[in-house]
Amino acid sequence: GQNIDQPTEMTATEGAIVQINCTYQTSGFNGLFWYQQHAGEAPTFLSYNVLDGLEEKGRFSSFLSRSKGYSYLLLKELQMKDSASYLCAVRSLSNDYKLSFGAGTTVTVRA
Amino acid sequence: DAGVTQSPTHLIKTRGQHVTLRCSPISGHKSVSWYQQVLGQGPQFIFQYYEKEERGRGNFPDRFSARQFPNYSSELNVNALLLGDSALYLCASSRPVSFGLYEQYFGPGTRLTVT
Repeated sequence: GQNIDQPTEMTATEGAIVQINCTYQTSGFNGLFWYQQHAGEAPTFLSYNVLDGLEEKGRFSSFLSRSKGYSYLLLKELQMKDSASYLCAVRSLSNDYKLSFGAGTTVTVRA
Repeated sequence: DAGVTQSPTHLIKTRGQHVTLRCSPISGHKSVSWYQQVLGQGPQFIFQYYEKEERGRGNFPDRFSARQFPNYSSELNVNALLLGDSALYLCASSRPVSFGLYEQYFGPGTRLTVT
């Protein structure tokens, strides 16, 4: 099975940096995804890590350490529109299309 | 190109009733997955279909069933509805991009309320 933990809530100021941590314990690891979900909307893809290291995409970066079962999503130059829930999801080894999600971290950006 | 579409957007049902939710994947995507998202939690995997065959099933009771049609659209059926089935039901459309990597896009979801 999968056990995925991430903080429930985080608050930061506009223009600042926030790091959302995700730890996982899985029976088989085949990649880690980060999704953004605004209230009442569908999750949208942010990043995918399958090898150790940092993946950078504009203001968003994601890091993975497979040996530690750890990932983080880094959001830089925060904007008000970044207020959303951020979901960490682990891809199943037995099924490429099955994702196991954490409960999500609600990020609130304040002016 | 149109994204993943789901219908209906919202639905209110009574305990014990049956419900059918529909999903149309992105053109060219042959895989459809269904997820249940209860308020305040992450999505939970229900089913995955590829080329009309069930390829994966999550930890849900037999009241939940699904199928995929020749045009790759899909239906999720839930029988004997319980209050706990109230949730956002998400459909995800996927296709492989390269070895070991695939694209997965979620539809807007169907908000089901069971009273």
